[in-house]
Amino acid sequence: QKEVEQDPGPLSVPEGAIVSLNCTYSNSAFQYFMWYRQYSRKGPELLMYTYSSGNKEDGRFTAQVDKSSKYISLFIRDSQPSDSATYLCAMRANTGGFKTIFGAGTRLFVKA
Amino acid sequence: GAVVSQHPSWVICKSGTSVKIECRSLDFQATTMFWYRQFPKQSLMLMATSNEGSKATYEQGVEKDKFLINHASLTLSTLTVTSAHPEDSSFYICSVSSLAGTDTQYFGPGTRLTVL
Repeated sequence: QKEVEQDPGPLSVPEGAIVSLNCTYSNSAFQYFMWYRQYSRKGPELLMYTYSSGNKEDGRFTAQVDKSSKYISLFIRDSQPSDSATYLCAMRANTGGFKTIFGAGTRLFVKA
Repeated sequence: GAVVSQHPSWVICKSGTSVKIECRSLDFQATTMFWYRQFPKQSLMLMATSNEGSKATYEQGVEKDKFLINHASLTLSTLTVTSAHPEDSSFYICSVSSLAGTDTQYFGPGTRLTVL
C-alpha cells in the first residue's frame, strides 16, 4: 500500500464547476499537508499549506484535512480554464526527518 | 515563498556525455535542497537531499556515482548526470527549504534532459 493515494484522473469539468480533488494516506504521523499545482513542463507551485486538521481558504481554493479519516481535499470554486493542470497532494510528519511524500497527481481539465 | 531558478531549462546531449544542472535559490537561504526526477504523467520521485556543505543523502536505488550532487553554498546546488544514457532522459526538478519548523518546499521550474 502506498503511503499516499491520489486518483490520477484525468478529471474533466466545465468552466464554473466546483472541483473536488482528494488524497488518502496511511501514516498517522503526517501533520503537514500541502497542495501543489503543476502546469505541463513546469515545476510544482505551492497552492495551499495546512497543519493538522481543519479547513483553510484562499480565494477560490479551500483545503480540508480530516486526520481521523486520513483524508485531505482541495476544492476549487468557479473553476477556470487556467486551472487546468496537475494537482499534487503532499504531506510530511513533524518528526523523522524532513521527507515529504507526494501523491501521484490528478490531471484536471476545465473546459471553456 | 522562495524564488528558485534552474539552468538550463532544456538540454539535449549525446549518450555518454555528462550534463550539469544548476539550481539557485534567488531570495532564500536554502539550508536544504532536494532533487527530484519526474517521468511523463508520473509524480515526483525524490532522488536526493542535500544540505549545504555536506554530502548528499541519496534515496534507495539512486546511483550516487551517476548523479553527482554538490551543495556548495546556501544559494546553489548542482546535479551532474555522468555518462548519460537515453534512460536518463527525464524532467529534473529541484526544491529548496530552510528546514526550519513548518517551512515547506519551493520548487524550481525544472530542467528537461533528453539523451540521444
